[in-house]
Amino acid sequence: EVQLVESGGGLVQPGRSLRLSCTASGFTFGDYAMSWFRQAPGKGLEWVGFIRSKAYGGTTEYAASVKGRFTISRDDSKSIAYLQMNSLKTEDTAVYYCTRYGDFYDYWGQGTLVTVSS
Amino acid sequence: QAVVTQEPSLTVSPGGTVTLTCGSSTGAVTSGHYPYWFQQKPGQAPRTLIYDTSNKHSWTPARFSGSLLGGKAALTLSGAQPEDEAEYYCLLSYSGAVVFGGGTKLTVL
Repeated sequence: EVQLVESGGGLVQPGRSLRLSCTASGFTFGDYAMSWFRQAPGKGLEWVGFIRSKAYGGTTEYAASVKGRFTISRDDSKSIAYLQMNSLKTEDTAVYYCTRYGDFYDYWGQGTLVTVSS
Repeated sequence: QAVVTQEPSLTVSPGGTVTLTCGSSTGAVTSGHYPYWFQQKPGQAPRTLIYDTSNKHSWTPARFSGSLLGGKAALTLSGAQPEDEAEYYCLLSYSGAVVFGGGTKLTVL
């Protein structure tokens, strides 16, 4: 059974950093690209970024709203994708979801809440 | 950045048919935008219903179908069930970036 479990969320002050993890199981993690999405409280979904599998160079893409502040990485030996968030702003407050991408986005995790507030 | 538009809300009667649409500020939506449709119920993570315009996941009920209609992506629900009441989001791809629509709140009443 494919499972994605996000962790690492919590309360953080503006300007600080936080790293989220997405731990995968039930599939060969290294064969898939992984993506992060977010959803501010009571708002719609927003794409955050994407990391390709090593077979496709392991390269990344980011939304303009987070480019230069957020970094996605992966550890295929641990089946974990990471979202490093620096210089956090109050508008980054959201539930963050990771998803698997083979030929399309299919499985989603349950999300982890990040609250940026002083 | 492109803006993706959806109806803010729609209502359908149980057993009825409804079509949700997804437009792009850059022009007609095509298969090259690889349209997705996601369903999200309160307190839950989104779930992928449709990808690449009309392809269904194994868990997608047969009553949902995706298409291109009048320059937009469309999600048609035929034979609405009470459990279909949810928020529906479309997603379009633009040269390495992806953009969501604002979502359609579907009420089954």
